Amino acid sequence: GQQVMQIPQYQHVQEGEDFTTYCNSSTTLSNIQWYKQRPGGHPVFLIQLVKSGEVKKQKRLTFQFGEAKKNSSLHITATQTTDVGTYFCARPFGGGATNKLIFGTGTLLAVQP
Amino acid sequence: EAGVTQFPSHSVIEKGQTVTLRCDPISGHDNLYWYRRVMGKEIKFLLHFVKESKQDESGMPNNRFLAERTGGTYSTLKVQPAELEDSGVYFCASSPFGSGFTEAFFGQGTRLTVV
Repeated sequence: GQQVMQIPQYQHVQEGEDFTTYCNSSTTLSNIQWYKQRPGGHPVFLIQLVKSGEVKKQKRLTFQFGEAKKNSSLHITATQTTDVGTYFCARPFGGGATNKLIFGTGTLLAVQP
Repeated sequence: EAGVTQFPSHSVIEKGQTVTLRCDPISGHDNLYWYRRVMGKEIKFLLHFVKESKQDESGMPNNRFLAERTGGTYSTLKVQPAELEDSGVYFCASSPFGSGFTEAFFGQGTRLTVV
């Protein structure tokens, strides 16, 4: 269906290690968005990917959209304690330029100093 | 510019009681969304307003939930009567209305606990 699977559910890393979360859909996506939610906080938009094979970077964060537009990944290089939080991918549904989103299950990242 | 504001930030009510959550979107944002995150699970869509009109309420769990956006400004989400499974964090988000993509801005959320 329209569900978006995200793995892993939880990742614990030492500060300085890399981290990757993966998002998979059984259907082709028009675009995919990534959000970060700090503990006790609210989702904050990070990026939107639209094109097949697209790669975007934000400092230590690298976002990729698969060639088939069915999967996406977020990679963080050299994690810092400020990276702690839950990372969600989200796909739009219902058509139109709206933010009706189906969120992935999220990956909780813990960073040990 | 003020962001999306929600209140209360926390609410603890007994099963069977009524609770009303409020969301003030960013000024000028015609799109307003309600989402809910239950027990650390994924964030789920509840409904979408464009101005005062409900565009999609397919995510509303049942008829105990009623959302309004009179005048197309702030929105309320009423739960009556509340059940234990309604506990969770309710997020409101807003975005400008337009033909292209614009990101959604989320409020801090209301943590609802039904006991």
